[in-house]
Amino acid sequence: AQSVAQPEDQVNVAEGNPLTVKCTYSVSGNPYLFWYVQYPNRGLQFLLKYITGDNLVKGSYGFEAEFNKSQTSFHLKKPSALVSDSALYFCAVRDQTGANNLFFGTGTRLTVIP
Amino acid sequence: DGGITQSPKYLFRKEGQNVTLSCEQNLNHDAMYWYRQDPGQGLRLIYYSQIVNDFQKGDIAEGYSVSREKKESFPLTVTSAQKNPTAFYLCASSISAAGELFFGEGSRLTVL
Repeated sequence: AQSVAQPEDQVNVAEGNPLTVKCTYSVSGNPYLFWYVQYPNRGLQFLLKYITGDNLVKGSYGFEAEFNKSQTSFHLKKPSALVSDSALYFCAVRDQTGANNLFFGTGTRLTVIP
Repeated sequence: DGGITQSPKYLFRKEGQNVTLSCEQNLNHDAMYWYRQDPGQGLRLIYYSQIVNDFQKGDIAEGYSVSREKKESFPLTVTSAQKNPTAFYLCASSISAAGELFFGEGSRLTVL
């Protein structure tokens, strides 16, 4: 069965510091991995995805994520946090069998402190 | 602009009433989805549809129904059989099974 774990409910970081939001996954076979961001009372916005190829994926707003197959992780990173990055972040996984469902983690609330 | 439109944004319902949430997309995507979001639980899949006139149950389909008569539209009905319907409902679409999902702005349903 597919699953996603986001071990931290809350991450606080000072503005200008690097940020990391953690995600580990479990799928049978190779994964499709995604990161989304959600602002209050809004839908989710796509940030980046890993399908195949280079393990370091670059996405929107300066975010990147590194796929680590041995650790089954896909952590989201940004070199320098902005106050406007404060939001709820979701990691999601889909397996490559063709199943159409995307499994989401429970979300990590990122707060960037000015 | 292309995108997904959900309506209404806020909806109040009395117990025992059915309510239908609208979802329309002009992205020409084949697949559409309905998710439910509750605090601390992430998103849970209610129903999804890969093509017109076909849809599949997700993890929490009980008390919900959908239809897919047109490619652009995927309405969700929350029936009186749904025991705890108060939640934030998100509609999404994708161009393929490997593609990312595009989300609407959500509909917040409150049962009084």
